[in-house]
Amino acid sequence: DTAVSQTPKYLVTQMGNDKSIKCEQNLGHDTMYWYKQDSKKFLKIMFSYNNKELIINETVPNRFSPKSPDKAHLNLHINSLELGDSAVYFCASSHGTSGGFTDTQYFGPGTRLTVL
Amino acid sequence: RKEVEQDPGPFNVPEGATVAFNCTYSNSASQSFFWYRQDCRKEPKLLMSVYSSGNEDGRFTAQLNRASQYISLLIRDSKLSDSATYLCVVTNNAGNMLTFGGGTRLMVKP
Repeated sequence: DTAVSQTPKYLVTQMGNDKSIKCEQNLGHDTMYWYKQDSKKFLKIMFSYNNKELIINETVPNRFSPKSPDKAHLNLHINSLELGDSAVYFCASSHGTSGGFTDTQYFGPGTRLTVL
Repeated sequence: RKEVEQDPGPFNVPEGATVAFNCTYSNSASQSFFWYRQDCRKEPKLLMSVYSSGNEDGRFTAQLNRASQYISLLIRDSKLSDSATYLCVVTNNAGNMLTFGGGTRLMVKP
């Protein structure tokens, strides 16, 4: 049973395209996150949602729009893709009922995005 | 100064060796501290939380030094399977922001 799943695992696309990455967790957690890990391996928080509500939006360009249809799903839509968007995107979830980060974060397997 | 700094390594050690990593953080009001492990091309997974009094989990010992603003991870009797990148993770004072260090790569060799 996969706790946090993401699709697709690999995404190769042209500059200027619009793409979406889906994330689902079956852990019953209240909080979900999107992280970006760049080529230098730094992992940075992008967004945090608690019970479908946006908690954190960390200076991410508005080309990135997260959508949470329910608390088990947090999808990431990216408009007008740029070369610099190439990275691995990780979805994660935690139990945290208030959007806090002190609970263990469970990460999905990642989506490797390559923009050509 | 980066918020969370780690020596990127790699640390190359033989099986059975003891190895230690340090991590420094800049926010003196940071609330919580963790070590995560990330295998090559995999997702990060929690290794252990770090408590003020220090804590141990099998071969792994974590220490926190608030005065000097660093945390450490000690691995005893290294196994080949310990080869991975170890990420130092720190929350802010409110506990609602998580900052990852760049990771320290460990390679355990036969």
